Amino acid sequence: AQKVTQAQTEISVVEKEDVTLDCVYETRDTTYYLFWYKQPPSGELVFLIRRNSFDEQNEISGRYSWNFQKSTSSFNFTITASQVVDSAVYFCALSEGNNDMRFGAGTRLTVKP
Amino acid sequence: GAGVSQSPSNKVTEKGKDVELRCDPISGHTALYWYRQSLGQGLEFLIYFQGNSAPDKSGLPSDRFSAERTGGSVSTLTIQRTQQEDSAVYLCASSLAGGTLDQETQYFGPGTRLLVL
Repeated sequence: AQKVTQAQTEISVVEKEDVTLDCVYETRDTTYYLFWYKQPPSGELVFLIRRNSFDEQNEISGRYSWNFQKSTSSFNFTITASQVVDSAVYFCALSEGNNDMRFGAGTRLTVKP
Repeated sequence: GAGVSQSPSNKVTEKGKDVELRCDPISGHTALYWYRQSLGQGLEFLIYFQGNSAPDKSGLPSDRFSAERTGGSVSTLTIQRTQQEDSAVYLCASSLAGGTLDQETQYFGPGTRLLVL
């Protein structure tokens, strides 16, 4: 069965620090998809990125970057120069292409001014 | 464009009562998902609709839970004889197509916060 582990329950940083959110996944499939979502205090999940298992290229989008490593089954998310508005719960998710997308328990990030 | 909308945003009910939660997906999205998020937890898949196909109900926790999708658009999640453990945020998501060939990105609504007293 597919499984997603976000070992960091809560992280607190000071503004402008870099922070990495860890995500480790388990799957028996060779084709799968990984996602990161942000859930701000308003509660609505905001899609950040989708990556399929055949594309191990790291991605950078502004202050956000993702490091996908199949060898360690990890899909870590780094925020550079964090800002207060980055404070949210971040979820990593895995789908094997079926209807059941499995989410990690989430990491609550607090960025203090 | 308009995102996924859900109503009500908050619902307080008494144990044993039935509740209905509504989801309006993004226009044109054929796939619709319901999830449950308990306090401090990740998301738990409940049910999935794709077009006119029979829904995937594999995530429903009990027969007190049911969902419908009318006209391939709006969906209603019904919880009968609510229990206190049903208290959670119920999230709806939609995607363009869904399916197994290419997992489409799911876009989430703001959720309905249900409290069963």
